[in-house]
Amino acid sequence: EPEVTQTPSHQVTQMGQEVILRCVPISNHLYFYWYRQILGQKVEFLVSFYNNEISEKSEIFDDQFSVERPDGSNFTLKIRSTKLEDSAMYFCASTGGGQRQKLFFGSGTQLSVL
Amino acid sequence: QQQVKQSPQSLIVQKGGISIINCAYENTAFDYFPWYQQFPGKGPALLIAIRPDVSEKKEGRFTISFNKSAKQFSLHIMDSQPGDSATYFCAASGDDYKLSFGAGTTVTVRA
Repeated sequence: EPEVTQTPSHQVTQMGQEVILRCVPISNHLYFYWYRQILGQKVEFLVSFYNNEISEKSEIFDDQFSVERPDGSNFTLKIRSTKLEDSAMYFCASTGGGQRQKLFFGSGTQLSVL
Repeated sequence: QQQVKQSPQSLIVQKGGISIINCAYENTAFDYFPWYQQFPGKGPALLIAIRPDVSEKKEGRFTISFNKSAKQFSLHIMDSQPGDSATYFCAASGDDYKLSFGAGTTVTVRA
């Protein structure tokens, strides 16, 4: 069964450093998302991406965040200057055109900012 | 704004019992209501979903009941098994396809 893959599974960084979280969505999917889950809290929407541009972003997704689809397979989330409160599990998700509301999630990247 | 409220926060059920998780939503524009199952260290996996034109959907041991007038929906896990022990999230989305998740329910099935 096709799946969304994310790397790395764990990332530890110092406050103020830049991090890039990587995702390979399911190959024929067109819509891509980043969500995050702070420990013990609900999964929160960050951003959606389609046709090489952001479709929608949440209040959390401020100027420190950016997304990119650098090639035909990868989808990345960059945090320019990490803060302690960015520590969370970050999930990538994708969906196809036929069943657009059916999101498939990756296993996540656990980001720890020290 | 908490668009989807989920309860209980956790529940313990004996093997073979029924687990019931409830959710309520506020936004009447929501038209898709999935349930996700999450095991530790894994991402949420779609379990079952319903649209508001039906009141119930069943897939194996999992059933969603939907009450549009009350803006509530619930997940029933029949004949609960130890392998069902996980965190379950309800969610909802509308024509923006942006999922709003509930806070999650940790289900523990005791053998």
